[in-house]
Amino acid sequence: RKEVEQDPGPFNVPEGATVAFNCTYSNSASQSFFWYRQDCRKEPKLLMSVYSSGNEDGRFTAQLNRASQYISLLIRDSKLSDSATYLCAVDSSGTYKYIFGTGTRLKVLA
Amino acid sequence: GAVVSQHPSWVICKSGTSVKIECRSLDFQATTMFWYRQFPKQSLMLMATSNEGSKATYEQGVEKDKFLINHASLTLSTLTVTSAHPEDSSFYICSARVRGAIGTDTQYFGPGTRLTVL
Repeated sequence: RKEVEQDPGPFNVPEGATVAFNCTYSNSASQSFFWYRQDCRKEPKLLMSVYSSGNEDGRFTAQLNRASQYISLLIRDSKLSDSATYLCAVDSSGTYKYIFGTGTRLKVLA
Repeated sequence: GAVVSQHPSWVICKSGTSVKIECRSLDFQATTMFWYRQFPKQSLMLMATSNEGSKATYEQGVEKDKFLINHASLTLSTLTVTSAHPEDSSFYICSARVRGAIGTDTQYFGPGTRLTVL
């Protein structure tokens, strides 16, 4: 089993839709969690950190479920510009080295 | 967020040559930088951790003599791909660790270097 797993998608959703992605991790001792956005042929850009209490930034909400060992990203009112690949990253060893998932591809359709 | 630059953004070279990639933190000091490699439609794979003033730590399966890392200052880490071969063609991305309160460190990525070895 991979340390960090994501559904590769693609998720094709209409504009205005709400979409959610999950990312599971295998190491229960994992300490830090992040969502990154990566556009085609570009570097990942930090979208948000995921805290135990969950956090929200505008249309984006991230949550952590330690019991089931997954993090989630919810995007409300999807925009065309949200089309990208969303990568989750986990610091599973507390060494600040991230393990990345393979990413979930989102396409928002007009 | 913190700004990290990489140079060059793309490079094409002949098989057998060496290529140096620079990673700079522009508005902060980074004691730790990371080097990743990403093949098409795959995720980022950590190659090594670069620590200022000390030897890099390589991930399992990454040849340290082929991928030379030097972190000579708090704002610069370099990755040299020695004797590059076509299978080394990839997207190389560096990141810099930005310290926060306990448990809130994050990584910011450079724009990446696309290496093509002919």
